[in-house]
This record gives sequence, structure tokens and C-alpha cells, in this order.
Amino acid sequence: QLQLQESGPGLVKPSETLSLTCSVSGGSISTTSYFWGWLRQPPGKEVEWIGSIYNSGSTYYNPSLKSRGIISVDTSKNEFSLKLRSVTAADTAVYYCAREEGATRGSGGWFDPWGQGTLVTVSS
Amino acid sequence: QSALAQPASVSGSPGQSITISCTGSSSDVGAYKFVSWYQQHPGKAPKSIIYDVTQRPSGVSIRFSGSKSGNTASLTISGLQAEDEADYFCSSYASSSTYVFGTGTKVTVL
Repeated sequence: QLQLQESGPGLVKPSETLSLTCSVSGGSISTTSYFWGWLRQPPGKEVEWIGSIYNSGSTYYNPSLKSRGIISVDTSKNEFSLKLRSVTAADTAVYYCAREEGATRGSGGWFDPWGQGTLVTVSS
Repeated sequence: QSALAQPASVSGSPGQSITISCTGSSSDVGAYKFVSWYQQHPGKAPKSIIYDVTQRPSGVSIRFSGSKSGNTASLTISGLQAEDEADYFCSSYASSSTYVFGTGTKVTVL
């Protein structure tokens, strides 16, 4: 059974870079037909998709992040990562990683399974 | 992109059917056949229950069904059970190759 687990600091200072890693177990991140995505949910707000990556390193991002986010993949470690620079309090959220299915069709897909999520608070 | 609009809460008695709406625009729900629905119990990871508007992932109960008309998608839960009490949110692929999510609906089993 495929499982994803987020890890990283729970507290980041304003203007610094948020860094998270998603470890994938029970399956290979190199499997074709899947992208791997990052999403977040600020307290009391809806889920927001941040971006996704294919095992080749091909990425696509939510334009609303204004190029602050970078997603990378390490197939040797079976994990992918998120870096979000110049964070503010508005970046405080539960961050999730998830497998994105269907995206290799050239259009939309869906996310399944998701990790448990990790709360990241931006505060000095 | 604006969030997809969902009712804040929906309730029903065991055995009843309930429907949750998800209203977007001609740039997301109305434009694509890529609407998905997720169930989230408190403190748990979201779980996919519907994809591509009407499709159920393997292992998901047939009591969950999806549909779409124009800019509004809907999730119906038939034969409501206590275990269905959870938060539900929708998502749609949208223009500019992005995804937009719903505001979420809390389902209460009376």
C-alpha cells in the first residue's frame, strides 16, 4: 500500500525559506503515469494546490505562488521536496504531499493517496 | 482562480440520501470533466472518493456518486451511515493548468 509522509520544520521565520520533504513508501516514485504534488490548507480555508512534479523532473506550479515555490525529486531516495521562499504569515498552513493520478493524460487529474499533513507556522 | 462554492454543512438521518453541491465557473467545473471529491475525517488525511466527475476509485463504496451540470458538480451519498460523518471537498482542473478546490462541507449524521 502506497504511503506518503511529510517531514520538515514546523516553524519558519518570515522572509526565510520553507523546506519540506515527502517520503514515499510501498511503491516507486519512478512509476510512470503519476505526478507527485504538494498542496496546503491554511487554517479555516480551502485546500490550495502548490505544484506537481514528474519523476523526470518536469514540473508545473500554481501561478498564484508567483514563482516562490520549487519542487524537486530524488528518485534514488524515493522522495520529492518543496522549497517555498520569502514566506509570510499567509504561508502558515497544513502542508500535504500526494500522488497525482491522471495528469499524464495531458490535462487534469486527482490526488490519491495523501500524506497525513504537517503544520508549518510562519512566525518570528 | 476563486474557490469553488460548497454549502458549509449538510445533515441527514441514517439511511437517507444527501447531496453536496460544488459551484464553479466556465473556467473550471464548466470547462472540464476533471472534478474530484475528497472525504476527510478529523485528524486524518483526505481520501479520494470520486474522480473524473463520476468515477469511483477502487474500494470506495457505491453509495458515493458524482455528477455535473453546467458549472455545478454534485456528490450524492446514499444510505447515509454514521461513518460518513466527515468533511467533504471538491476540486476541479482549471484554466492555466491549475487546480481549484472547494470551500468544504461538513456532513453530520443525525
